[in-house]
Amino acid sequence: DGGITQSPKYLFRKEGQNVTLSCEQNLNHDAMYWYRQDPGQGLRLIYYSQIVNDFQKGDIAEGYSVSREKKESFPLTVTSAQKNPTAFYLCASSISATDTQYFGPGTRLTVL
Amino acid sequence: AQSVAQPEDQVNVAEGNPLTVKCTYSVSGNPYLFWYVQYPNRGLQFLLKYITGDNLVKGSYGFEAEFNKSQTSFHLKKPSALVSDSALYFCAVSATSFVNRLAFGKGNQVVVIP
Repeated sequence: DGGITQSPKYLFRKEGQNVTLSCEQNLNHDAMYWYRQDPGQGLRLIYYSQIVNDFQKGDIAEGYSVSREKKESFPLTVTSAQKNPTAFYLCASSISATDTQYFGPGTRLTVL
Repeated sequence: AQSVAQPEDQVNVAEGNPLTVKCTYSVSGNPYLFWYVQYPNRGLQFLLKYITGDNLVKGSYGFEAEFNKSQTSFHLKKPSALVSDSALYFCAVSATSFVNRLAFGKGNQVVVIP
């Protein structure tokens, strides 16, 4: 898992609440990514950021928001608009947009 | 759009036997191809990648993969499986023109039987 940290490891949320997942990296990587993993479906890209103050939607951005105010941080907010938020969320980073992505340990979000 | 197929949900292999995990891909143009491994409740660990050059790529922990352009395949192999290789394996592809957008397969559960 290298120099990428995600917190918390487990997160519980009531329906209708927003929640923010943390992702921090000390690898000096320019690019960062958020994925969602559901059983039997592989990983799906939520958002990605190539540089500070810039980010793009991935394949399943609806109900999520991000910010990239610092190079080392890329927090993901799961909003109440996300209809099925229970999943395992993975953050990744890469030196540049064309390089290998390295993953953090993940956050498991459960909506009660 | 790019996509990956990992046709087998689970691969069972006896310890010491060769291990193969299959992956076929679809992408416009030349592909970047990756293999990752995931242990329970953990993030993905990078194993190896193909960008260009030799079709046989060697990676971490004794794994290798062979790029076959005509068959659009990138199968992962290990000559002698260990019980500790039991995990979930993901193949991923991106187009060289759009490398941010990795498409992952659904994953293969590998079970190495002692």
